[in-house]
Amino acid sequence: EAQVTQNPRYLITVTGKKLTVTCSQNMNHEYMSWYRQDPGLGLRQIYYSMNVEVTDKGDVPEGYKVSRKEKRNFPLILESPSPNQTSLYFCASRLTGGETQYFGPGTRLLVL
Amino acid sequence: DQQVKQNSPSLSVQEGRISILNCDYTNSMFDYFLWYKKYPAEGPTFLISISSIKDKNEDGRFTVFLNKSAKHLSLHIVPSQPGDSAVYFCAASSQGAQKLVFGQGTRLTINP
Repeated sequence: EAQVTQNPRYLITVTGKKLTVTCSQNMNHEYMSWYRQDPGLGLRQIYYSMNVEVTDKGDVPEGYKVSRKEKRNFPLILESPSPNQTSLYFCASRLTGGETQYFGPGTRLLVL
Repeated sequence: DQQVKQNSPSLSVQEGRISILNCDYTNSMFDYFLWYKKYPAEGPTFLISISSIKDKNEDGRFTVFLNKSAKHLSLHIVPSQPGDSAVYFCAASSQGAQKLVFGQGTRLTINP
């Protein structure tokens, strides 16, 4: 089944404790992206990647890092999480040149 | 600066009637528009899209209308069914840009 998977689905952590949210897709898509969803703000792009070893900032990249060492994986790293990073996070992927992005199920993060 | 706006946070419609969800945008460079549907605890799923060279696109019960002069698009669902109850996001992109810009979302409730 073609899909985007994220782990964990739910995470509670404390300020400053490094964490990684994994994202994997099995559709051989070149493009991958991370979004956060907050009430009243919709989905905002954090980082995106056009292909392996090619990443760039989205609209709200502060406090986040990403890496793209393999085509299928695009982990999101929070080196020192803060409470304002409490949010619902979505990973997405699409083919280069395609417009439709396919989203993972989301990761709900609470930073205390 | 919210480039894509969905001014109605919620909408309630009776089953069998027409649901109309609205979306406004400010960036005249946007040339592709999408609607996504989101159920609780799931990621957004693609519903329907429209290119700026068209003013209407239809897919079964779903029709999207684009008014470029007014920078406005709308999603019509006819007839509305209980399974249509979800949050609907409008999104836009421009050629060469590597992201989707999302609206805040509209929660649609279909009442039996």
